[in-house]
Amino acid sequence: QSVLAQPPSVSGAPGQTVTISCTGSGSNIGAAYDVHWYQQLPGTAPKLLIFRNSDRPSGVPDRFSGSKSGTSASLAITGLQAEDEADYYCQSYDTSLGVVFGGGTHLTVL
Amino acid sequence: QVYLVQSGDEVKKPGASVKVSCKADGHSLINYEISWVRQAPGQGLEWVGWIAAYSGKTNYAQSLQDRVTLSMDTSTNIAYMELRSLTSDDTAVYYCARQILRMRQRHNDYWGQGTLVTVSS
Repeated sequence: QSVLAQPPSVSGAPGQTVTISCTGSGSNIGAAYDVHWYQQLPGTAPKLLIFRNSDRPSGVPDRFSGSKSGTSASLAITGLQAEDEADYYCQSYDTSLGVVFGGGTHLTVL
Repeated sequence: QVYLVQSGDEVKKPGASVKVSCKADGHSLINYEISWVRQAPGQGLEWVGWIAAYSGKTNYAQSLQDRVTLSMDTSTNIAYMELRSLTSDDTAVYYCARQILRMRQRHNDYWGQGTLVTVSS
């Protein structure tokens, strides 16, 4: 049971928009700790996708966006493409546990 | 581009120890923290701990703090993770990552390729 709750899977057709939620609590996201998102393609290491809730590293398309409100955060992917099929993880910090990850969400592009 | 190159895959027997290395190619780690994260087969990401290269300060996940030691050789730009008293539950891919600290917030911007540690009798 992950401290940050994510849906196990989401799906969407090419061109559509999907949103992945990350729900925490008052000891992590709600305690003003930032949320970061990672993309993990099959058989590869995670890659930073969004940091500090909504910032994108250089090279990440603006189809990817992040937001945070209260004890939750969201990752939105617009204009879905086949290469977006991957696992997505949120990460934050918990005052008791240290660095915490969500359980991960598998995105299927139909 | 920042590259973190990890040591090769390992096979260990239960009760043994493993030490995984993580070398930064082309840049110095001295101003950063190095985070270690593991991923069991078919599972999600689990934080192991981090070490601040500039001070040697460490922070470990509660579940592993009695068995893991992170260290850093700044002269060779190599970080190490040692895990002792291995069990089958420690079978996982272990990743190192460069960790950015800004205003008490931490995230990992570059990751190593991963090292598979298999614990089997």
